[in-house]
Amino acid sequence: GAGVSQSPSNKVTEKGKDVELRCDPISGHTALYWYRQSLGQGLEFLIYFQGNSAPDKSGLPSDRFSAERTGGSVSTLTIQRTQQEDSAVYLCASSLAQSAGATQETQYFGPGTRLLVL
Amino acid sequence: AQSVTQLDSHVSVSEGTPVLLRCNYSSSYSPSLFWYVQHPNKGLQLLLKYTSAATLVKGINGFEAEFKKSETSFHLTKPSAHMSDAAEYFCVVSADYQLIWGAGTKLIIKP
Repeated sequence: GAGVSQSPSNKVTEKGKDVELRCDPISGHTALYWYRQSLGQGLEFLIYFQGNSAPDKSGLPSDRFSAERTGGSVSTLTIQRTQQEDSAVYLCASSLAQSAGATQETQYFGPGTRLLVL
Repeated sequence: AQSVTQLDSHVSVSEGTPVLLRCNYSSSYSPSLFWYVQHPNKGLQLLLKYTSAATLVKGINGFEAEFKKSETSFHLTKPSAHMSDAAEYFCVVSADYQLIWGAGTKLIIKP
């Protein structure tokens, strides 16, 4: 079946512009996650959705970052007034519903969006 | 709080020799542990997952990892390296829904 898809695959923007990154999770996966991977680093958690609600936004680096999810499916990560330090690969993952304290569900990753802010 | 440390940023082995990628974790309760692989310009792929069943976990492509609670380790091994194993490997510990990632180990395979 189809995996997690993300668009665009690459995005080059000028400092100060807004960008929108899209994630299509695996059908039937109610949990959705956004991560950021900077060059040579592991992944940094940004936000987690269960259905359309985001119980944990603590990883968002600043108020320029926001995310929404509608219809329990597609999610959009928006970065306003982009800065050069926002340049990174933004990864989306999805999983079956994750219950607090339960065994971690396997997260399946999309190919990522490579963002370059000039 | 959960954390994970990958002890080597780079590991270089000859093709056909064993691979050992080291990972230590810290967790306040019985963790779920994962190894992911990222090939150049490709997405992250789950290699294997430990969730408190058998301590020796077998994954894809001949990799396996052993959970050692006394040593708080979850090292990844493969008996014989192949050129196609060249990639970056991440050790991951779960914290509820969050995954806490190590910094990664780049595996280099020499012909």
